[in-house]
Amino acid sequence: DAGVTQSPTHLIKTRGQHVTLRCSPISGHKSVSWYQQVLGQGPQFIFQYYEKEERGRGNFPDRFSARQFPNYSSELNVNALLLGDSALYLCASTPGVLAVRGNNYGYTFGSGTRLTVV
Amino acid sequence: AQSVTQLDSQVPVFEEAPVELRCNYSSSVSVYLFWYVQYPNQGLQLLLKYLSGSTLVKGINGFEAEFNKSQTSFHLRKPSVHISDTAEYFCALNAGGTSYGKLTFGQGTILTVHP
Repeated sequence: DAGVTQSPTHLIKTRGQHVTLRCSPISGHKSVSWYQQVLGQGPQFIFQYYEKEERGRGNFPDRFSARQFPNYSSELNVNALLLGDSALYLCASTPGVLAVRGNNYGYTFGSGTRLTVV
Repeated sequence: AQSVTQLDSQVPVFEEAPVELRCNYSSSVSVYLFWYVQYPNQGLQLLLKYLSGSTLVKGINGFEAEFNKSQTSFHLRKPSVHISDTAEYFCALNAGGTSYGKLTFGQGTILTVHP
């Protein structure tokens, strides 16, 4: 079975541009979460989507937006890119809206998209 | 609000020596706790988790961690490290309830194992 897949793996953008990152969850998982990991720091929560609805939002500006499609895949969009947006963007999927259900922890991360803004 | 503090940003150790990576957390509600490992240019791999029950949890690659509610700690230990354990380690928590799927991570500890 395929794990969480993210595309592209790397990309370089110029300040002020727009970027779209994509994530396909594990088959059967209905929730996708996005994280930003700046070099030298831990991942920071950006969004969670479940059944196409936003279920959580981290402390990020409105330049960051996301959506989830009927097949549960997701896109993260970032407008007006800044140098500080350079980071590894991680996507994770879970079967349901909760990270832990009963004695099951269903969180699975993808390998990430490395975004460099120049 | 919840937070995670990893007390050491870097831990150097010699091969076959024991190691402890320290993690403290803050939360007004019960939490689930996790340790992840990240190798260079890779994603996150789950090492172990505490959901409930026994406070001593064992994970992959010989790692274990102990949940201490009174000290709000979840330290990671390995009795004998290998060169291949060199990586960055992250402690994380989930508060359940309306936190839904949100994980809160610490800043990370870089473990460097020297021959």
